[in-house]
Amino acid sequence: TQLLEQSPQFLSIQEGENLTVYCNSSSVFSSLQWYRQEPGEGPVLLVTVVTGGEVKKLKRLTFQFGDARKDSSLHITAAQPGDTGLYLCAGAALYGGSQGNLIFGKGTKLSVKP
Amino acid sequence: NAGVTQTPKFQVLKTGQSMTLQCAQDMNHNSMYWYRQDPGMGLRLIYYSASEGTTDKGEVPNGYNVSRLNKREFSLRLESAAPSQTSVYFCASSAGGVYSNQPQHFGDGTRLSIL
Repeated sequence: TQLLEQSPQFLSIQEGENLTVYCNSSSVFSSLQWYRQEPGEGPVLLVTVVTGGEVKKLKRLTFQFGDARKDSSLHITAAQPGDTGLYLCAGAALYGGSQGNLIFGKGTKLSVKP
Repeated sequence: NAGVTQTPKFQVLKTGQSMTLQCAQDMNHNSMYWYRQDPGMGLRLIYYSASEGTTDKGEVPNGYNVSRLNKREFSLRLESAAPSQTSVYFCASSAGGVYSNQPQHFGDGTRLSIL
């Protein structure tokens, strides 16, 4: 069974602060996807990183894929209340198995207070 | 712009009752998935379907059955509901094969309580 450890599990910060969420594994992934989920809704894709060392920016969000393709991070600059939600990382498995094609981390619940 | 549609949105059952959760996608995707999401456990794959007519077990298939009725529809059935199946259920779909890098598109979930 492949595991993707996501940390921290909970994060409560003030508007304007910076934060980083981490996803780590001992397994290599073909790509790493980040999703955001709001209460009462399903996860929505934010970004996919494919190449080791790749960095992608989405406004104030910066996503990085580790050189060895085993880990990833999400950095938010100057967080805003609208960033509040559950952030999920998901690794695309190299090999088949009962977990399907995406291995999900357990999520980071972010709360940004005004 | 429907994407992935799940019905019902909420359901309360008594232990031992049966029900079917419906899912339909309008994106012409080959692969479809059923997950359950529980606090502290993340998303766990119940069953998936790589194409019409094929289904495979995921991590937590016990107590569930699925049917890939056609390319659009993938249903999840609880034959005899148990309190441990209280959860939020998500259906998802993706283009390409199950083991591609394609992202998954999720419905808004069915919140199921079993008393």
